[in-house]
Amino acid sequence: QVQLRESGPGLVKPSETLSLTCVVSGYSMNSAYYWGWIRQPPGKGLEWIGTIYHTGSTFYNPSLKSRITISLDMSKSQFSLELTSVTAADTAVYYCAKTRVAVQPLEPFDVWGQGTMVTVSS
Amino acid sequence: EILLTQSPATLSLSPGERATLSCRASQSVRGYLAWYQQKPGQAPILLMYDTSKRATGIPARFSGSGSGTDFTLTISSLEPKDFAVYYCQQGLTFGGGTKVEI
Repeated sequence: QVQLRESGPGLVKPSETLSLTCVVSGYSMNSAYYWGWIRQPPGKGLEWIGTIYHTGSTFYNPSLKSRITISLDMSKSQFSLELTSVTAADTAVYYCAKTRVAVQPLEPFDVWGQGTMVTVSS
Repeated sequence: EILLTQSPATLSLSPGERATLSCRASQSVRGYLAWYQQKPGQAPILLMYDTSKRATGIPARFSGSGSGTDFTLTISSLEPKDFAVYYCQQGLTFGGGTKVEI
């Protein structure tokens, strides 16, 4: 059974880079799924950030594209998110997730991590 | 970019009642709509995909329907554990959510 777990600093200073990692267990990332990031500001709805395929190809939300990088390290069974130049608006719970199938990068997510809260504050 | 509008924002019902949640898209989404359930402090759970297909382990009291721009999630008979926030999703867009409360 696939399990995902996010990790990273819970506090990031404004203008700095937010870096999170998602460790995948119970499944080989060599297989055909997209692995993604979603965030949720406190008390608000969900925002799709981006996905990465096992080949390394990525698909980003256009609203965040200039600031995000999603990368993959299959040797460690993990994928990562970097978000640059953060502001208070980037404060959110960040989730990593796996798509149900890999027909295209915008598939629904059927397995989610527990989420990690990241606060942007000086 | 497609916008998804969910209504109502809050739905107040009792256990055993039927819940009908709406998700309206700003343009046709060709049936590729998903629904999630989220409880406080927890990650979302995938309920439905491709508009009307239940995800693994989702009970039959949950059903989805719709086409084009208008979609519905129906919970035929609410159980206490169904009180939560529900989100629709199409591609990289999520709706704003409907809270189903007692």
